[in-house]
Amino acid sequence: AQSVTQLGSHVSVSEGALVLLRCNYSSSVPPYLFWYVQYPNQGLQLLLKYTSAATLVKGINGFEAEFKKSETSFHLTKPSAHMSDAAEYFCAVSDRGDYKLSFGAGTTVTVRA
Amino acid sequence: DAGVTQSPTHLIKTRGQHVTLRCSPISGHKSVSWYQQVLGQGPQFIFQYYEKEERGRGNFPDRFSARQFPNYSSELNVNALLLGDSALYLCASSLTGNTEAFFGQGTRLTVV
Repeated sequence: AQSVTQLGSHVSVSEGALVLLRCNYSSSVPPYLFWYVQYPNQGLQLLLKYTSAATLVKGINGFEAEFKKSETSFHLTKPSAHMSDAAEYFCAVSDRGDYKLSFGAGTTVTVRA
Repeated sequence: DAGVTQSPTHLIKTRGQHVTLRCSPISGHKSVSWYQQVLGQGPQFIFQYYEKEERGRGNFPDRFSARQFPNYSSELNVNALLLGDSALYLCASSLTGNTEAFFGQGTRLTVV
């Protein structure tokens, strides 16, 4: 079964600093991978997805992620954090073409002024 | 265009009761999926429907059931509610179930 592990349940960064959120997946075949963001009392918004095209994926709000098969990783980065990036971030995986998502436990990001 | 809409937004039920949650997909989307998000955890897949047929089911007891209607809206039913059923229930719609899913705001269920 597909699964993801998010390393670090909480990340605190200064405004303007690099945001790095870690995600490792477990899959016997290359899966589809996703990053979602959830603001308080809201649903999930897709930031970006990897579906076997370019390994470096650019998403919304300045986020990007790199698929590394050798490391079974799909880490999310943003060069310069903004106060509005404070939210919870979820990494998710699905079988190719399946879109039944398996989510990680989430990482809460706080941004310090 | 309206996104995925869920109703109600919040509700409180007593242990042992039954609950029905509703979801209207984005216009043109024929697939609906349901997820349960317990506080402090990631969402867990419950069901996926496409063209009124169940396409997938997660590891949930038979107390959980769902259906999809001809207009592609969907209901999630939970019988014999337990305290542990308290969660945010998320609905997601997609064109076919094999394409990107768009999530609604969720229904916050509290079981007391």
